[in-house]
Amino acid sequence: KQEVTQIPAALSVPEGENLVLNCSFTDSAIYNLQWFRQDPGKGLTSLLLIQSSQREQTSGRLNASLDKSSGRSTLYIAASQPGDSATYLCAVKRVGTNAGKSTFGDGTTLTVKP
Amino acid sequence: NAGVTQTPKFQVLKTGQSMTLQCAQDMNHEYMSWYRQDPGMGLRLIHYSVGAGITDQGEVPNGYNVSRSTTEDFPLRLLSAAPSQTSVYFCASSYSALAARGEQFFGPGTRLTVL
Repeated sequence: KQEVTQIPAALSVPEGENLVLNCSFTDSAIYNLQWFRQDPGKGLTSLLLIQSSQREQTSGRLNASLDKSSGRSTLYIAASQPGDSATYLCAVKRVGTNAGKSTFGDGTTLTVKP
Repeated sequence: NAGVTQTPKFQVLKTGQSMTLQCAQDMNHEYMSWYRQDPGMGLRLIHYSVGAGITDQGEVPNGYNVSRSTTEDFPLRLLSAAPSQTSVYFCASSYSALAARGEQFFGPGTRLTVL
């Protein structure tokens, strides 16, 4: 069974700081890993999708890396802003007969202080 | 494109009532799914579909039914609502279940309370 862990559960940083969010998974046989952002009371917004054959993806101030062998992904946020405050979730799709299933982490709640 | 849309946004039911949560996407995605999100338990997959006429169970399917008669629509039916089904329900879609085309897009959610 795939398990996804995100540590820390909460993180508070001053504006302008660079930061890293972590995502660990137990089964390295995955199709892809996706990072999402969720604002309070809202749905999930896709940030980055990393295919199993890729090592990283970049979008603006965001950079996500994937190390399948160690079961880890990181989301790097450069020059953080108060508008980055949200909960960040990662999700993995595992190889297998039930390829449609995604397993989510519980998320890291980020607060960026002005 | 409207993306993934869900109706209603809020709903209050009494125990034993039935209802259907609607989900539609206009991106011609073959893969659609329903999740519920509960505090302390994260997002859990209820049912999913890899194409019209094909559905399968997720992690927590009991008490829910789905069907997929068209590519665009994937309704979730609560057969006899129970307080344990109080949750926020999200519908998601992707072009494919696999790899490069597997980016998931989520709807805004339906907040359901069962009294």
